[in-house]
Amino acid sequence: AQSVAQPEDQVNVAEGNPLTVKCTYSVSGNPYLFWYVQYPNRGLQFLLKYITGDNLVKGSYGFEAEFNKSQTSFHLKKPSALVSDSALYFCAVRGNNNDMRFGAGTRLTVKP
Amino acid sequence: EAGVAQSPRYKIIEKRQSVAFWCNPISGHATLYWYQQILGQGPKLLIQFQNNGVVDDSQLPKDRFSAERLKGVDSTLKIQPAKLEDSAVYLCASSYLTTVNEQFFGPGTRLTVL
Repeated sequence: AQSVAQPEDQVNVAEGNPLTVKCTYSVSGNPYLFWYVQYPNRGLQFLLKYITGDNLVKGSYGFEAEFNKSQTSFHLKKPSALVSDSALYFCAVRGNNNDMRFGAGTRLTVKP
Repeated sequence: EAGVAQSPRYKIIEKRQSVAFWCNPISGHATLYWYQQILGQGPKLLIQFQNNGVVDDSQLPKDRFSAERLKGVDSTLKIQPAKLEDSAVYLCASSYLTTVNEQFFGPGTRLTVL
């Protein structure tokens, strides 16, 4: 069965600095990878996905993610963090039978 | 486009009572998911429907949890009887049929079992 690991519970960055939220995955077959964001008292919102093609995927709110097959990673990045980016971020992988597995989440805090 | 609707938003019950949650997916979405999200953890898939058939319920505690999706649209998730460890947010999501499509999530139902 597929699985996802988010090795950092918490990431702290200063506003204006670049940010990276890490994710590694395990899946048999082609990986379908997703990032979601969860703001307080709100449901999960889709940010971006990798299905095939370019390893650098661009998504909502200026986020992007880099797919690395050899390292089985799909790290989320943003060149310049905003205070409003502070939230809980989840990486997810979908297997060939369409089921989804989520990571435990990484809390991003952007300080002014 | 209307989003995924869930009700109730909050529910408090005593242990050993029963509870039911309702979900209305986005119109046209064939696939519907129920997740359990315990505080501090990622969502855990409980059951996945494709139209009105079950695709995956391998993580559903079938001795106390049940779900149905009659007519392939709305869905109900039931817990009977509830345990303290069932306290969590129950999320419903829907997506188009294929594996490449992202899921759209509802606001969730926060369940507290006392």
